[in-house]
Amino acid sequence: GQSLEQPSEVTAVEGAIVQINCTYQTSGFYGLSWYQQHDGGAPTFLSYNALDGLEETGRFSSFLSRSDSYGYLLLQELQMKDSASYFCATLPTGRRALTFGSGTRLQVQP
Amino acid sequence: EAQVTQNPRYLITVTGKKLTVTCSQNMNHEYMSWYRQDPGLGLRQIYYSMNVEVTDKGDVPEGYKVSRKEKRNFPLILESPSPNQTSLYFCASSSGTGGGLYEQYFGPGTRLTVT
Repeated sequence: GQSLEQPSEVTAVEGAIVQINCTYQTSGFYGLSWYQQHDGGAPTFLSYNALDGLEETGRFSSFLSRSDSYGYLLLQELQMKDSASYFCATLPTGRRALTFGSGTRLQVQP
Repeated sequence: EAQVTQNPRYLITVTGKKLTVTCSQNMNHEYMSWYRQDPGLGLRQIYYSMNVEVTDKGDVPEGYKVSRKEKRNFPLILESPSPNQTSLYFCASSSGTGGGLYEQYFGPGTRLTVT
C-alpha cells in the first residue's frame, strides 16, 4: 500500500523558516516531490528528491531520508505569497501514478 | 508559452448527462493524467496515459473514461455523471521518462458540479 502523511496546517510569520514534514509508508518508491497550490490555482512543481539528502532551489529546500521513511520541505525567508497548500508526492515502485499526500496548508502572517 | 489547457473551466450539469472535459498540452509530453481534488482527500489520480493509445487506471477510475488518440490531447469522459463526481478536476502532463513523472505540469482545473 501507499500512504503519505502531512500535517494539515502550519502557521508562521513573515521572514521566518518553516518545515513541512511528509512521512510515508510504502513497500518501495523512486523518490519524493513537492507541489505548491494557491487557493483557486493549479498545483505547481517545486522540487524532486531522487536520492537521500538535501536539494536546494532558492528559498526552498527539500530533504529525503529513505531509511527514516521521511522527507520535508523547508521554506526560508517566508513571504506572504508563500501562503498556500503544499503537497508531497511519490511514485510507488512498479506504478506510473503519482500518489499525493493530503496537503499542508501554510498560513504566513505579517 | 508551454502550457496545459482544459475546457470548460466551470460546468454545472445534471445526473446522467454525458460530458467531456478536454485537455491539451503543447510541450510534446508523452505522459498525461487526470486527477480529481476533493477537500481533505488531496489529489487522486483517475487515469493516466504513457503515450498515444496507451491508457491505464489510476486510483479512482470508476465512472470515467479517457482516450489518447493524439499525443497532445487527453479528454476525460463522464458517460453518466453522478453527484459524487462533483469535484475539481486537473489534467497534467510530463515528459514521462525517469524522474520526469515526478515533475508534472497541471492545467488550470475544471470545477464540475453534478446536480
